[in-house]
Amino acid sequence: DIVLTQSPALAVSLGQRATISCRASESVRSSMHWYQQKSGQQPKLLIYGASNLASGVPARFSGSGSGTDFTFTIDPVEADDIATYYCQQSRNDHTFGAGTKLELK
Amino acid sequence: EVQLVESGGGLVQPGRSLKLSCAASGFTFSNYYMAWVRQAPKKGLEWVATISTSGSRTYYPDSVKGRFTISRDNAKSSLYLQMNSLKSEDTATYYCARPVTGSFDYWGQGVMVTVSS
Repeated sequence: DIVLTQSPALAVSLGQRATISCRASESVRSSMHWYQQKSGQQPKLLIYGASNLASGVPARFSGSGSGTDFTFTIDPVEADDIATYYCQQSRNDHTFGAGTKLELK
Repeated sequence: EVQLVESGGGLVQPGRSLKLSCAASGFTFSNYYMAWVRQAPKKGLEWVATISTSGSRTYYPDSVKGRFTISRDNAKSSLYLQMNSLKSEDTATYYCARPVTGSFDYWGQGVMVTVSS
């Protein structure tokens, strides 16, 4: 199985940039996707194919990377962005990272 | 508007069975693969099963292979997950989701399954 590694938490100030990383145990090419999950809600797709913005998602959100190293960015961070963010690969079946909890500094 | 509504969850004893349903609307159900993804309490997300448009092909991770069966009824725009030989580690919220180009672009609100004696 492809293992995805994310940092467990990130503290950021409102209006600043938040950068979340996801490292894959082997290359997933560009088959990386990012989700936002707020407390008590279902996940929401934000980025697909490493860098493509999902429909209706604000341009404050972006993604980059290929192979094994990927980055998800929110710039600028707004209060409504406080949530847990998951990466997911679809190169070989589907696996998710453990999630990065975005917190206010 | 795409809607996915799960049902059928509840409390079940270890070793017993349970069948989940997902009612889809707002899109042509028969044109899309469909999937189930679960999330144990306070834990991350785990893909559980995927089914092709016709239902002829199904895919599972090793953790549920041989115990869970995904199926669909295109005439009813419905997705199902038959779960047998349930274990405590199957306790989770189960989401119905629509896979598109490898990602899951729509998710239901989820249904809770608790496996406990």
